[in-house]
Amino acid sequence: DAGITQSPRYKITETGRQVTLMCHQTWSHSYMFWYRQDLGHGLRLIYYSAAADITDKGEVPDGYVVSRSKTENFPLTLESATRSQTSVYFCASSLGGGTAYNEQFFGPGTRLTVL
Amino acid sequence: GENVEQHPSTLSVQEGDSAVIKCTYSDSASNYFPWYKQELGKRPQLIIDIRSNVGEKKDQRIAVTLNKTAKHFSLHITETQPEDSAVYFCAASRAGAGSYQLTFGKGTKLSVIP
Repeated sequence: DAGITQSPRYKITETGRQVTLMCHQTWSHSYMFWYRQDLGHGLRLIYYSAAADITDKGEVPDGYVVSRSKTENFPLTLESATRSQTSVYFCASSLGGGTAYNEQFFGPGTRLTVL
Repeated sequence: GENVEQHPSTLSVQEGDSAVIKCTYSDSASNYFPWYKQELGKRPQLIIDIRSNVGEKKDQRIAVTLNKTAKHFSLHITETQPEDSAVYFCAASRAGAGSYQLTFGKGTKLSVIP
């Protein structure tokens, strides 16, 4: 059981380039999330998805695009990378459903550097 | 939207002493409060959570308390050990209201000195 995986784990790119970070989960969780982690800011939500083809903005969505054509995948695209998007990106998933309170399970993270 | 404040940002304790981390939240409708531990270079992992219908929850050396009136909750770690050294994040959520977003505090770096 792979759980939740992210690829690549490390990425260096240049300003203006398009970058896609991949997230895959094997639990069939309904909810998936993308966070960025920066020193002094903790974890900030970029986008989330309640199910396939349903996505919504989080706290810091500008400059990012997401899609979710399949339940298990939730890619995050930086359409034109900027230096301010240098960060560690975490994908997470949770079961969701009804009024249950659900733990979020995090992937291993992708460290992105924009030069 | 929800705002979560976490204090202190850094905390050093001697091995065997207790550590307390405090968080406040702004949205009175929040009903789920998890705590995550993140070791250096690793992913955040849930260590304990509490729901709004409970005032306190314990799991071995860790406990969480919730004061809904004051809108604050705290993490208590007793008999600290070097392996407790990590960054701890509190979070708040309106779980079950069609959304499971977590709003995180900025984290507390705990150092346990042997």
